[in-house]
Amino acid sequence: KQEVTQIPAALSVPEGENLVLNCSFTDSAIYNLQWFRQDPGKGLTSLLLIQSSQREQTSGRLNASLDKSSGRSTLYIAASQPGDSATYLCAVRPTSGTYKYIFGTGTRLKVLA
Amino acid sequence: EAGVAQSPRYKIIEKRQSVAFWCNPISGHATLYWYQQILGQGPKLLIQFQNNGVVDDSQLPKDRFSAERLKGVDSTLKIQPAKLEDSAVYLCASSLRRIYEQYFGPGTRLTVT
Repeated sequence: KQEVTQIPAALSVPEGENLVLNCSFTDSAIYNLQWFRQDPGKGLTSLLLIQSSQREQTSGRLNASLDKSSGRSTLYIAASQPGDSATYLCAVRPTSGTYKYIFGTGTRLKVLA
Repeated sequence: EAGVAQSPRYKIIEKRQSVAFWCNPISGHATLYWYQQILGQGPKLLIQFQNNGVVDDSQLPKDRFSAERLKGVDSTLKIQPAKLEDSAVYLCASSLRRIYEQYFGPGTRLTVT
């Protein structure tokens, strides 16, 4: 059974720092992995989608990497800003069954001005 | 392109009452998902539709929850009767096909008192 873990559960950093959020999964048989952002009281906003054949994806100050064999993904945020404060969720889509996403519990990020 | 629409945004009901949520996916998206997100947890898939048909409802509490997607477009999720533990955010998402990127609506926050 696929399980997704995100560490740390919460993180507080000063503005301008580069930071790394971690996502680990137990079964490497995945189609893709997606990183989302969730602001309080809001839905999920897709940040980056990495296909299983890819090693990384970049969008602006965000870079996500995928190491399928070790069951790990990292989301790197460069030069953090207070507007980056949110909960970051990762989800994996297994290759078996109905391909439904399995989500982690998220990392709550607070960037201090 | 319009996003995924959901209504209502907030709902407060007493236990044992019934409630219904509505979702309108992105035009042309064949796959529609309903998730339940309890505070502090990642979203959990309740039901997945492919056009009109149900692909996965393995985690839907069928004694009280029901969902339908008539004509392969809009969908409604109903809870009857509600329990205190149903308090959560209910998220609707859609994707072009089953393994494509998912797009989420703003969610409905349900409080059961």
